[in-house]
Amino acid sequence: EPEVTQTPSHQVTQMGQEVILRCVPISNHLYFYWYRQILGQKVEFLVSFYNNEISEKSEIFDDQFSVERPDGSNFTLKIRSTKLEDSAMYFCACSGGQGVDEQFFGPGTRLTVL
Amino acid sequence: KQEVTQIPAALSVPEGENLVLNCSFTDSAIYNLQWFRQDPGKGLTSLLLIQSSQREQTSGRLNASLDKSSGRSTLYIAASQPGDSATYLCAVRPRGGSYIPTFGRGTSLIVHP
Repeated sequence: EPEVTQTPSHQVTQMGQEVILRCVPISNHLYFYWYRQILGQKVEFLVSFYNNEISEKSEIFDDQFSVERPDGSNFTLKIRSTKLEDSAMYFCACSGGQGVDEQFFGPGTRLTVL
Repeated sequence: KQEVTQIPAALSVPEGENLVLNCSFTDSAIYNLQWFRQDPGKGLTSLLLIQSSQREQTSGRLNASLDKSSGRSTLYIAASQPGDSATYLCAVRPRGGSYIPTFGRGTSLIVHP
């Protein structure tokens, strides 16, 4: 069964450094999302992406964040200058396949900012 | 602003019991509601999606119902097994304008043999 993959599974970085989190969505899906989950907290929406542009973004998704679909398969989240409070699990998700609205999540990248 | 509450926060039951997990939301103008399972340190696995026009969805031992007027959804798990142990999350997407989902905190379920 097709699945969403994410790399790396765990990223440790120093405060102020740039990180890029990578995702390969399910191939025939059209809508892509990033979420984050701080340890012990709710899953929070960051951004949705469709037709090569951002559809919606939350208040969390400020100028430090950007997303890109550089080719036909990858979907990336960049954090320009990481802060301690960016430490969280970051999940990529997609939808728009056969079950149009159902969202399918990747296994996540655990980001630790020191 | 939509608020999603899941009760109970934690549940521990013996194997074989039938379970009901609750999800309530404050704004009934929803587009759909999706139930997920999350294992510790892992991603979310989609269980069931209910569109706003639907009353329930079933998949195997799982049945989810939706009552928009009362702002509630329930996830029924029949004949629970130890492998069902996980956190169960519901997410509500609004209707009109924004489709940003709001997640509940989840119900942490332990099914012991």
